[in-house]
Amino acid sequence: AQSVTQLDSHVSVSEGTPVLLRCNYSSSYSPSLFWYVQHPNKGLQLLLKYTSAATLVKGINGFEAEFKKSETSFHLTKPSAHMSDAAEYFCVVRMDSNYQLIWGAGTKLIIKP
Amino acid sequence: DAGVTQSPTHLIKTRGQQVTLRCSPKSGHDTVSWYQQALGQGPQFIFQYYEEEERQRGNFPDRFSGHQFPNYSSELNVNALLLGDSALYLCASSFLTSANYGYTFGSGTRLTVV
Repeated sequence: AQSVTQLDSHVSVSEGTPVLLRCNYSSSYSPSLFWYVQHPNKGLQLLLKYTSAATLVKGINGFEAEFKKSETSFHLTKPSAHMSDAAEYFCVVRMDSNYQLIWGAGTKLIIKP
Repeated sequence: DAGVTQSPTHLIKTRGQQVTLRCSPKSGHDTVSWYQQALGQGPQFIFQYYEEEERQRGNFPDRFSGHQFPNYSSELNVNALLLGDSALYLCASSFLTSANYGYTFGSGTRLTVV
């Protein structure tokens, strides 16, 4: 069975410092993995996706993620946090059998001025 | 180009009542999926509609039902509402059920059951 674990429920960083949001997955096959962001009272927006091409995936707003099969990880990073990055971030795996999305519990990113 | 439109944005219902939520998919998309997001949790898959038929279903009771219309728009119906049904209900549209070109999410309907 496929599953996703986001290792931190909250991450707090100062503006201008690096961001690291951790995600581990469980999948029997080569997975499709996504990161979504949800700002308060807004819909979910796709940040980036991995679909068995390059292991380092670049997304919008300066975010990127690296797929590491040996570690079953897909951590999200950004070199320098901006106040507008404050939001909830979800790591998602897509099931190969029926294309359903399996969501992590989310990580709330807090940016300190 | 309009994205996914959901209505209403907020709704308050009494326990035992029935509710209908609506979703208009992004232009060019033919598949609609519904998710329930409880407070502080990630979205949970309810079901997916394609060609006016339910194609996939998550672990939700029969109180949750849906419909897709010929113009690809969709409705989510919940009968006999429980307090635990209070959540943000999200609609996502895609082109084909595989969504290889990605999902687009609406802003959701916030349902409160009192």
